Amino acid sequence: DQQVKQNSPSLSVQEGRISILNCDYTNSMFDYFLWYKKYPAEGPTFLISISSIKDKNEDGRFTVFLNKSAKHLSLHIVPSQPGDSAVYFCAARDRGSTLGRLYFGRGTQLTVWP
Amino acid sequence: DADVTQTPRNRITKTGKRIMLECSQTKGHDRMYWYRQDPGLGLRLIYYSFDVKDINKGEISDGYSVSRQAQAKFSLSLESAIPNQTALYFCATSDPQGSAYNEQFFGPGTRLTVL
Repeated sequence: DQQVKQNSPSLSVQEGRISILNCDYTNSMFDYFLWYKKYPAEGPTFLISISSIKDKNEDGRFTVFLNKSAKHLSLHIVPSQPGDSAVYFCAARDRGSTLGRLYFGRGTQLTVWP
Repeated sequence: DADVTQTPRNRITKTGKRIMLECSQTKGHDRMYWYRQDPGLGLRLIYYSFDVKDINKGEISDGYSVSRQAQAKFSLSLESAIPNQTALYFCATSDPQGSAYNEQFFGPGTRLTVL
């Protein structure tokens, strides 16, 4: 059973507009949340993270929002650029696991068109 | 130079063959992982190792085995490959001492096709 869910397999946005990628989780023991970006023929690369004690973290054009009561987080990209076109994975760390393993969602393919 | 390398990058094999995928890292991280990516299924953990003496099964370890030959090397073996093991395989490393949230660093992936 998936503990991290990305229910939108794809998202298409015009250049300059906002991209919002969503992620839901079920495990209340998750204490850190990460977003990874993946281009074709490359491995995923870390993008931004947020601790469960915060509700927002910002890094340049990228902002992650966390709503713990709803067990929901979102990644906002403003303004979107064609180079942002990639698969975005949401991941969460389980503090209840002695191994601190990450659980990944299925990914959302973002396409930014000119 | 890449910090996490995987060999081979692409491999085509036949059902029943034994295959080994190799991963090397120069990051000095103790923790290493093998993931599998299938279209629409995201990244699923196969095995992970927290040091040379520690090997742990992930969520989909059946049909796979691993060997941690050194801190820097972690190999994944398919003892008898089957077509549904056709996928993209990623190796990753992490250093929990250096990252509170256990950020993982991924290699470029190995595309494996089993005919």
